Amino acid sequence: GAGVSQSPRYKVAKRGQDVALRCDPISGHVSLFWYQQALGQGPEFLTYFQNEAQLDKSGLPSDRFFAERPEGSVSTLKIQRTQQEDSAVYLCASSEVSGNYGYTFGSGTRLTVV
Amino acid sequence: GQNIDQPTEMTATEGAIVQINCTYQTSGFNGLFWYQQHAGEAPTFLSYNVLDGLEEKGRFSSFLSRSKGYSYLLLKELQMKDSASYLCAVLTGGGNKLTFGTGTQLKVEL
Repeated sequence: GAGVSQSPRYKVAKRGQDVALRCDPISGHVSLFWYQQALGQGPEFLTYFQNEAQLDKSGLPSDRFFAERPEGSVSTLKIQRTQQEDSAVYLCASSEVSGNYGYTFGSGTRLTVV
Repeated sequence: GQNIDQPTEMTATEGAIVQINCTYQTSGFNGLFWYQQHAGEAPTFLSYNVLDGLEEKGRFSSFLSRSKGYSYLLLKELQMKDSASYLCAVLTGGGNKLTFGTGTQLKVEL
């Protein structure tokens, strides 16, 4: 597609509920990144894929967070047993090879846990 | 660890020039990016510096000094639509990870 597409745009979850956030990167982009952005803060790195391989997951805050990209294109970020501190905007970005070419970001999914 | 500092807020007048500074201390450096982010929208790419010096692109310019761990974004002929958050980000991790500062919220006034 023309840009990075994320869905849903907004998600309200009850505390303890599981959620799944989807990212469709730009076609042909090898690298895919997930970031978490709290209100008034810069994006914080969560995880990175090169094709289907998850090369870095050092930013995932707990084992409740899980990401996959099984066919090297669409990626899903799953959060189990959501907690209020998980409320944030989750941004997906993709790039052609490494980040040297800059990322193209999606508009994000705003998750609110109530 | 990674540390990227930029001012939290700045205010400037329409038509004026504003300089947003960024200092960084990171393990590894593969370049520095500036992004613009309007409220509720995706960050959009503004500039990339990997060598020392000034990069100019229309009304926006970005400067880098690697020895000082310092960059700035210069915005000229400010317009109301320039009101946004400006994010400084350093590429580390072998060129695969962008580490962001907290962003500078710029308000352009009449």
